Amino acid sequence: RKEVEQDPGPFNVPEGATVAFNCTYSNSASQSFFWYRQDCRKEPKLLMSVYSSGNEDGRFTAQLNRASQYISLLIRDSKLSDSATYLCVKGNFNKFYFGSGTKLNVKP
Amino acid sequence: EPEVTQTPSHQVTQMGQEVILRCVPISNHLYFYWYRQILGQKVEFLVSFYNNEISEKSEIFDDQFSVERPDGSNFTLKIRSTKLEDSAMYFCASIALSSYEQYFGPGTRLTVT
Repeated sequence: RKEVEQDPGPFNVPEGATVAFNCTYSNSASQSFFWYRQDCRKEPKLLMSVYSSGNEDGRFTAQLNRASQYISLLIRDSKLSDSATYLCVKGNFNKFYFGSGTKLNVKP
Repeated sequence: EPEVTQTPSHQVTQMGQEVILRCVPISNHLYFYWYRQILGQKVEFLVSFYNNEISEKSEIFDDQFSVERPDGSNFTLKIRSTKLEDSAMYFCASIALSSYEQYFGPGTRLTVT
């Protein structure tokens, strides 16, 4: 089983829609979890860390389910500028594993 | 806002040549990383570096690769004899010990011909 797996998409949604991505992982011992955003041919940028209690940052909500070994990202009120690839990441200081990414296209 | 910088932005080299990719991590960060991303594929971990030594490396990071922190600011990745399949975007990243949040540089696009 891969360390981190994501649905590649693309998810095509209209502006204002709510969209959710899931990511499954294996081998969770001593790992932290993150969502990154990557625009085409650019570097990954941290969107948010993911905590077991769930956390929210504006329109973005992240959840971690250790029992089922998945993390999720919910984007409310999608904007055109949210169009990007969303990367699920797990790791610790020594090594990070990146998922292949889920592509989101927000249409006017 | 402090940022990770990388030079050059694009490097073209012939197969078999040595290349050195350079990074300047954020100044108070202590963990440094190199990743590569082949076009259309996922970001792949190459190596982590802490306290002037390699912390962990992937199976991709074979004897052709080496890393160095030659002074207090630069962090370099050397590929001794480049192959066609080394063509990729190479990203440097760094972390402060206070959190796991990585900051990435803009990348160096390496093209091996």
